[in-house]
Amino acid sequence: DGGITQSPKYLFRKEGQNVTLSCEQNLNHDAMYWYRQDPGQGLRLIYYSQIVNDFQKGDIAEGYSVSREKKESFPLTVTSAQKNPTAFYLCASQVPGANVLTFGAGSRLTVL
Amino acid sequence: EDQVTQSPEALRLQEGESSSLNCSYTVSGLRGLFWYRQDPGKGPEFLFTLYSAGEEKEKERLKATLTKKESFLHITAPKPEDSATYLCAVVANYGGSQGNLIFGKGTKLSVKP
Repeated sequence: DGGITQSPKYLFRKEGQNVTLSCEQNLNHDAMYWYRQDPGQGLRLIYYSQIVNDFQKGDIAEGYSVSREKKESFPLTVTSAQKNPTAFYLCASQVPGANVLTFGAGSRLTVL
Repeated sequence: EDQVTQSPEALRLQEGESSSLNCSYTVSGLRGLFWYRQDPGKGPEFLFTLYSAGEEKEKERLKATLTKKESFLHITAPKPEDSATYLCAVVANYGGSQGNLIFGKGTKLSVKP
């Protein structure tokens, strides 16, 4: 079945450590996105990529980095510069020709 | 500034008790309003897209409607399996999300048997 796979599902990190969240899709979608979700808040856009080897900052990119070396993969690195990284992270890809997003199951990051 | 506001934040219904969720938006030039359903600990699932005032979409017990300032998600005779958080989103015209979706905070629906 086509879809988006995020890993790990749960991740614990010590302060000062960088962590990388994986996002893989087999939908053959060009555009991919990373959102952050906090309790009581809407999804906020971190980074997005419309095509391989190109990506743009969203509204809350500070403290995060991404790469897009392959169409299928869009990993997100949460760096030690991110002040409050504990959150639920969602990866999505966009159905071609529409603004409809297909989401992965999410990764929950907790900083200890 | 583009904005999406959903109300109520939480809604508790008895099974079979119909109600509506509200999504009000401020965006210059609507390019689509989207409804998603999100179950706890999972990613959102797409429900509907609406593009113009007066448009309606239906799926099982759910019906989405759109006016020039807001959208409603009507739930008719809900069942416990309809319990979820319902998210509303619009395409942003400004800021870091320009051209992409901006989301409301969601309405958490609980349906008791």
